[in-house]
Amino acid sequence: AQSVTQLDSQVPVFEEAPVELRCNYSSSVSVYLFWYVQYPNQGLQLLLKYLSGSTLVESINGFEAEFNKSQTSFHLRKPSVHISDTAEYFCAVTGNTPLVFGKGTRLSVIA
Amino acid sequence: NAGVTQTPKFQVLKTGQSMTLQCAQDMNHNSMYWYRQDPGMGLRLIYYSASEGTTDKGEVPNGYNVSRLNKREFSLRLESAAPSQTSVYFCASRLTGAALSNQPQHFGDGTRLSIL
Repeated sequence: AQSVTQLDSQVPVFEEAPVELRCNYSSSVSVYLFWYVQYPNQGLQLLLKYLSGSTLVESINGFEAEFNKSQTSFHLRKPSVHISDTAEYFCAVTGNTPLVFGKGTRLSVIA
Repeated sequence: NAGVTQTPKFQVLKTGQSMTLQCAQDMNHNSMYWYRQDPGMGLRLIYYSASEGTTDKGEVPNGYNVSRLNKREFSLRLESAAPSQTSVYFCASRLTGAALSNQPQHFGDGTRLSIL
């Protein structure tokens, strides 16, 4: 069975500060990892994904995540956040089954 | 591009009433999913369908039924609504199969359901 743990339910951060949202997973098979973002009153949008190859993956809006197999982690980072990054972020894992999601981390960016 | 379309967007029901949530995708995906989202609980899988004509239970199937009407459409039915089913419901679709384990899921905008 696969599972995902997002270690922080809420992360407040000041605008232009760096942020890290933590995600750990467990799986007995090879995995693919995803980060989704949910803006208020919207559905989930794919932010970035790790499939294979380079362990560092980037999104178009400045987020990046690093796959660490030894630590079974896939933490999401951004060096400088904007007000518009305020949202809920979900980490998800799959092998060949429905995606399994973490409980989410609510990122609040403070002006 | 519509992607995944859910109807209705909002609904208020009384306890005991029945309701069908509709979902359609236009991406020719073979797999479709229904989740519910509750505060602090993340997304929990209710039912999924790996192909037309098949459905499987997820983590929280009690109180729900599903129908995979065709490749495009996957509906979720509450036969006798209960206040505990107040939630936001999301439909998703995905291309799955051999060598496709790395495909992401695509989500609709959700249905906000309140049961009084």
